[in-house]
Formats: sequence, C-alpha cells, structure tokens
Amino acid sequence: GQNIDQPTEMTATEGAIVQINCTYQTSGFNGLFWYQQHAGEAPTFLSYNVLDGLEEKGRFSSFLSRSKGYSYLLLKELQMKDSASYLCAVINTDKLIFGTGTRLQVFP
Amino acid sequence: SAVISQKPSRDICQRGTSLTIQCQVDSQVTMMFWYRQQPGQSLTLIATANQGSEATYESGFVIDKFPISRPNLTFSTLTVSNMSPEDSSIYLCSVPLNQGEGGGYGYTFGSGTRLTVV
Repeated sequence: GQNIDQPTEMTATEGAIVQINCTYQTSGFNGLFWYQQHAGEAPTFLSYNVLDGLEEKGRFSSFLSRSKGYSYLLLKELQMKDSASYLCAVINTDKLIFGTGTRLQVFP
Repeated sequence: SAVISQKPSRDICQRGTSLTIQCQVDSQVTMMFWYRQQPGQSLTLIATANQGSEATYESGFVIDKFPISRPNLTFSTLTVSNMSPEDSSIYLCSVPLNQGEGGGYGYTFGSGTRLTVV
C-alpha cells in the first residue's frame, strides 16, 4: 500500500517559521513535491526534491531524506497569505500520489 | 508551461444522473490524470487517462462509475455516473510537465469542477 502522512492542522504567528513534516511509505519513489492549495483553488507547485538534502527557494525550503522516507517544508517569515493547505506528494511511476495534507493557519 | 482548461467549473446535479467533465490542454501530453478531492480532504487519484488505450484505475475506482475518454493528446473527459450525494467533491485533471532546470518536472492542474449532488 501507499502511506503518505502529514499533520492535519498547524497554526503559527505572522513572521514566524513553521516546519510541516511528511513521512511516506510507497512502493516506488521518483521524487517528492510540495504543493500549496488555497481554499477553492487548484494546487500550485512549491518545490520538488529527488535527491537527499535541502532545496531553498525564497521563503520556502524543502528537505528530503530518502532513507528515512521523510520530507519537510519550511516556511520562513510567515505572512497571512500563507494560510492554506500544504500537500506533500510522491511520484510513483509517473503517478503523483498525495499525502493527507496539512491545513496551516497564520495568525497576526 | 501548459495551460489546462477544465469545465464545467461547478454544477449541481440530481442523484441518479451523470456529469461529464472536460479537460483541454494547450499542448500535447502523454499522460493525463484525474483526481477527486472530497470536502476537507487531500487529492485522491482516480485514474490515469491513456491516449489510445483504456484508462488505468486506482484501487476503489471502477470504469462503470467513472468512465474516461482520451481521444487525443490534448483532451480528456471524466464522467461521474449514476451520481449519489457521496460523489459531491471537487474533480481535477492534471498533466505532468517538464519544468526545465535540474531535470525536475512539475504537474499542473485544471481549475477543478465542484460537483454537488442533491
């Protein structure tokens, strides 16, 4: 089977840093994505990791450890507009399989 | 990057009827995917739409309930058949894209179809 787990909900304060974790057990692995989804909208691409290590892109960074089946998304200098759902997704033979998703609320 | 036009954007349907959702991509793509997103949930893959062959369905989804067409490399339809209130969800299509640098590639999504079955 395929299991991709994330915390259901997280809260944080504007200007702070938050780390959203994702653990996965899948039959195959060709890379891991993080997507952001605002309510009522389609998911939008944030990051892609296929090798171990940290990928940094502005206020967002994503980390991958393939041996541990673990990734995290780090959001710095949080803004109110970062309130959204964050979806971890694993590529398994060209199919993108999504995790359970994390709803992040940023408070002033 | 490719642009996907998905329609309808929303619909309210009577139980027992069927709705066909269309996705048109502005470039040729080998694979197209259909997802369901139930209220408050993440995305669940329904099937892979293959051009020139039958769609490949994930566990829990069957062709009789979700027939899929893929007549060419830019277009696909998903039909939700014999609908019940449990089918009320957002349905999205997706295609993989080459995003260039580093060999990484992304998946882009249609804007979604919000279906309510009453």
